[in-house]
Amino acid sequence: DTAVSQTPKYLVTQMGNDKSIKCEQNLGHDTMYWYKQDSKKFLKIMFSYNNKELIINETVPNRFSPKSPDKAHLNLHINSLELGDSAVYFCASSQDRVVYGYTFGSGTRLTVV
Amino acid sequence: GENVEQHPSTLSVQEGDSAVIKCTYSDSASNYFPWYKQELGKRPQLIIDIRSNVGEKKDQRIAVTLNKTAKHFSLHITETQPEDSAVYFCAARRDSSYKLIFGSGTRLLVRP
Repeated sequence: DTAVSQTPKYLVTQMGNDKSIKCEQNLGHDTMYWYKQDSKKFLKIMFSYNNKELIINETVPNRFSPKSPDKAHLNLHINSLELGDSAVYFCASSQDRVVYGYTFGSGTRLTVV
Repeated sequence: GENVEQHPSTLSVQEGDSAVIKCTYSDSASNYFPWYKQELGKRPQLIIDIRSNVGEKKDQRIAVTLNKTAKHFSLHITETQPEDSAVYFCAARRDSSYKLIFGSGTRLLVRP
């Protein structure tokens, strides 16, 4: 059983489109995150939800909108995709403020053409 | 703001040699320091972590040291093997924050 699962694994889309990435965790964790990893491998936090409440919202364009229907799910919707959005997006989860570190999903490689 | 600097960006060692990766953090309130290993095309995975009340922690061939005064922490890998080749990330966070701040990564290559 995959602890943190993301879908899709690969996403190729044209500029201007709207797309969503889904994330689910079965670890019983109460906090979930979205990170963006660019071509230089830098991991940058985008959002975090704790028990469905947004707790971290970094400087991210308004085109990115997270949604957490319950504490086991955190989805990422991106409007009007741009070339610069191409990256690998990782979902992660943790319990009790990262006491044991994050568990990452397998990532979604987004390519905007 | 919070920042974690990581060096070197690339490291090439001969199999069997040791590898050391160093990180410096800016937030003096940081008290949790994990290290992640990311193999090519895979997810980052936690390999070892240390808390601020401990100066050193070892797990087989991997060790992490922490100098709170200097705000430095380091990853030491002994008897390196080709399967240790990956990108390694350090990170830091404080108790009052959910946010884990990552270093920029070190690409380790272990030559057979």
